[in-house]
Amino acid sequence: SSELTQDPAVSVALGQTVRITCQGDSLRSYYASWYQQKPGQAPILVIYGKNNRPSGIPDRFSGSSSGNTASLTITGAQAEDEADFYCNSRDRSGDHRMFGGGTKLTVL
Amino acid sequence: QVQLVQSGAEVKKPGASVKVSCKASGYTFTNYYIHWIRQAPGQGLEWMGIINPNSGSTTYAQRFQGRFTMTRDTPTSTVYMEVSSLRSDDTALYYCARAYSSGWSEGFDFWGQGTLVTVSS
Repeated sequence: SSELTQDPAVSVALGQTVRITCQGDSLRSYYASWYQQKPGQAPILVIYGKNNRPSGIPDRFSGSSSGNTASLTITGAQAEDEADFYCNSRDRSGDHRMFGGGTKLTVL
Repeated sequence: QVQLVQSGAEVKKPGASVKVSCKASGYTFTNYYIHWIRQAPGQGLEWMGIINPNSGSTTYAQRFQGRFTMTRDTPTSTVYMEVSSLRSDDTALYYCARAYSSGWSEGFDFWGQGTLVTVSS
């Protein structure tokens, strides 16, 4: 299918590790990229490709992929990580892109 | 430094048109594709399409074919998204974003600040 599926909400205790997942058939062929969006702000890129972080993104953010599932892991979640997270990838044709529905991360 | 600066908020009546601009600076305009992304109030991100600033070629998501037109003006390093026959469900934040690509790795590494388009009678 031409969809990316994310859990709507995930919570994590302060300082613990959390994994946010993104499922879709096209992820067997293409990498996902991950975006963090805080209220009232534009999204920012946190992970792209196999496991690449743009300059300025803390190393507690990492990415991985297996089969039809891409994952964003935050190791030692901080209060400032509370946000909506979106995955993005190409569709099966490779010509179009698509976003997952987003995951709201709460840091307890 | 890389910047994408979008035009200001717009309020339009149903049936009207709107043209949102996205002016790039701090890099070679023709070297990076630009994507447009829409976010309805309280909703998630939705990919609209991509424009090649070098050739002007475009690709649209299926639901954004017909009333939506992406163009670019190379001398001013500006891309545009025009929406015609506006409907109330076009009310949203419209973002432009630059695509960084290296092999099969891709990410939207710089985003505009967003342009709120409100469609209301």
